[in-house]
Amino acid sequence: DTGVSQNPRHKITKRGQNVTFRCDPISEHNRLYWYRQTLGQGPEFLTYFQNEAQLEKSRLLSDRFSAERPKGSFSTLEIQRTEQGDSAMYLCASSPGRGSYNEQFFGPGTRLTVL
Amino acid sequence: AQSVSQHNHHVILSEAASLELGCNYSYGGTVNLFWYVQYPGQHLQLLLKYFSGDPLVKGIKGFEAEFIKSKFSFNLRKPSVQWSDTAEYFCAVNPTNTGTASKLTFGTGTRLQVTL
Repeated sequence: DTGVSQNPRHKITKRGQNVTFRCDPISEHNRLYWYRQTLGQGPEFLTYFQNEAQLEKSRLLSDRFSAERPKGSFSTLEIQRTEQGDSAMYLCASSPGRGSYNEQFFGPGTRLTVL
Repeated sequence: AQSVSQHNHHVILSEAASLELGCNYSYGGTVNLFWYVQYPGQHLQLLLKYFSGDPLVKGIKGFEAEFIKSKFSFNLRKPSVQWSDTAEYFCAVNPTNTGTASKLTFGTGTRLQVTL
């Protein structure tokens, strides 16, 4: 399968713990995006990388959230001191980055539950 | 900032009925427009997209959408739905004049339930 992959698929944690999610984009896609989706809502943009550079961050991304893409390939999203409001599906997407088109391919997501 | 409205939150249709799901966006400049579908237990998949040219675009599985610039709309249509079309449908917009490709702004989604 050459699609976007995300690990883990499910994560249950206690409030106050730190969690880290991983996203592996489609090979040779130089743009990578993180979104968050809560029940009954569409995905909301969190942040975006072009290669290893983080180019845009949403105001939804508080100081407890950090994302990296150290070698321009896979990316990690870390949430420190988790809160119950962080419970959501975290989606990763990638796009080729050529031209002005922005067709994004989504992974299966990581469902986070904070108890 | 751009926004997307999907007014139909939950639609129930019988098989073979025609479908139209509304999508309106708010943005003053040129945009790329998308419809994504999420089948039960599966990840988001692109159904169709509009970048430029013919405002009537055709996607997979018999779906089509029409971009009406004057109405800021990009409604999704299918002449005859099947039970397998049961899914959640999301409209999304991406401005084209930001210099670099960036985020998609999604609507809240429409849950389509097709009954036999």
